[in-house]
Amino acid sequence: QLQLQESGPGLVKPSETLSLSCNVSGDSINTDSYSWGWIRQAPGKGLEWIGSMYYYGKANYNPSLKSRVTISLDTSKNHFSLTVDSLSAADTAVYYCGRMWQLFYFDSWGQGILVTVSS
Amino acid sequence: IVMTQSPATLSVSPGERATLSCRASQSVGINLAWYQQRPGRAPGLLIYGAATRATGIPARFRGSGSGTEFTLTISDLQTEDSAVYYCQQYENWPPLLTFGPGTRVEI
Repeated sequence: QLQLQESGPGLVKPSETLSLSCNVSGDSINTDSYSWGWIRQAPGKGLEWIGSMYYYGKANYNPSLKSRVTISLDTSKNHFSLTVDSLSAADTAVYYCGRMWQLFYFDSWGQGILVTVSS
Repeated sequence: IVMTQSPATLSVSPGERATLSCRASQSVGINLAWYQQRPGRAPGLLIYGAATRATGIPARFRGSGSGTEFTLTISDLQTEDSAVYYCQQYENWPPLLTFGPGTRVEI
């Protein structure tokens, strides 16, 4: 059974860099059929796609965040990561990692991790 | 592509039927998914390809539509269906997934 688990800090300071990891079990990220991505949800708000990538290709990012985010995959550890630079309070959100069918829709999600940006 | 959903909130009684609407600012074909997010939980996939139920989703969840107009119909509503429902399009290339603002269903 596929499981995804986010990990990382719950509190980061403005202007700093956020690094999150998503550990995948029950499936290999080394697959042609699925990509792996991140979504976030600000408190009380809707869902915002951050970006996704296949194990073999370049990442695709939301243009609104592209200049500040990086997604990378580590097939040896079967996990993938997200970094977000130049944080501000507007980046406070629950961050979810997930598996995507192709680059279309998320069919599995992690439980999410709340990240608060505050000094 | 901008996604809109209506109504913002829907209050229904157990056993009734709920009809949720999702509209795209331009045609997305059938490249549309629906998700359910219960309070305090991660979203879960309900429907993809506008009308195909995801694994394990009961038949009382039905998706329909194409182009710019889509509907999620939930029949025989149960208390565990209380959630926010989001639509998401995946028509864009390069990928730019966008979600609707959600419809809250209160049972």
